[in-house]
Amino acid sequence: ETGVTQSPTHLIKTRGQQVTLRCSSQSGHNTVSWYQQALGQGPQFIFQYYREEENGRGNFPPRFSGLQFPNYSSELNVNALELDDSALYLCASSRTGTNEKLFFGSGTQLSVL
Amino acid sequence: DQQVKQNSPSLSVQEGRISILNCDYTNSMFDYFLWYKKYPAEGPTFLISISSIKDKNEDGRFTVFLNKSAKHLSLHIVPSQPGDSAVYFCAARLYGNNRLAFGKGNQVVVIP
Repeated sequence: ETGVTQSPTHLIKTRGQQVTLRCSSQSGHNTVSWYQQALGQGPQFIFQYYREEENGRGNFPPRFSGLQFPNYSSELNVNALELDDSALYLCASSRTGTNEKLFFGSGTQLSVL
Repeated sequence: DQQVKQNSPSLSVQEGRISILNCDYTNSMFDYFLWYKKYPAEGPTFLISISSIKDKNEDGRFTVFLNKSAKHLSLHIVPSQPGDSAVYFCAARLYGNNRLAFGKGNQVVVIP
C-alpha cells in the first residue's frame, strides 16, 4: 500500500512569485486535504478536495487554490507569495469526504524570502 | 482564534513512567477528537481517537479520556518508551464538517 507522497520536500521562493505543490494520495483514498503548519503552530486547514471539487475551505485568501485529478492526486497553488506563507504544507488523504482519520504526507517546507 | 488549546508545550518523563498530555477546546459542537504524533521530518500520524459520546478509549499503551462538561481531553501513555519522544497534536472535528482543528502540539521527551 502506497502512502501519501508530497513533492518537493523543500522549496525556496521570493515574495511575489507563484508556487505549485504536489500530492499523491494513499491508495484507495478519494479525498485530499491541505494544511499549513507555521513554525510553533498546529496545522491549519486550507481546503479539501473530493471528486475533483473543492469541498470546504478554511480561512485562507483566494490566492491559495487547488486541484484534484481523476487519479485523486492533488496540487496546491499559491500566487503572489508573501513572507508569512513560509510554512510546512501538509497534504492528507482519507477515504471519504467526512472521514476524520487523515493520513498525512511528510510535507513541503516552503521558505519565502 | 484557537479553538483547540494545548498548554505546557513540552514534557519530559522517565522511561516506564506515565505521560499525560492535556487538551482543552472551546467549541461544544466538536463531535470527534483525535491525537496525532509527529516525528521530525515526517507528517503527523494518527494515534488514537474518541467520539463525543464516549468518555474513554483505550488502545494498548494509549488511553484518551474525554470530559465534555469541562471541554477537556487527555492522552495517557503508560508505560512511556523512548520511541514515544515526539510532538503530539490534539485535534477536533466539528459536527457535520470535514476539517480538523489542531492544537499547537506538545513536545514529549522520554528519558531512557
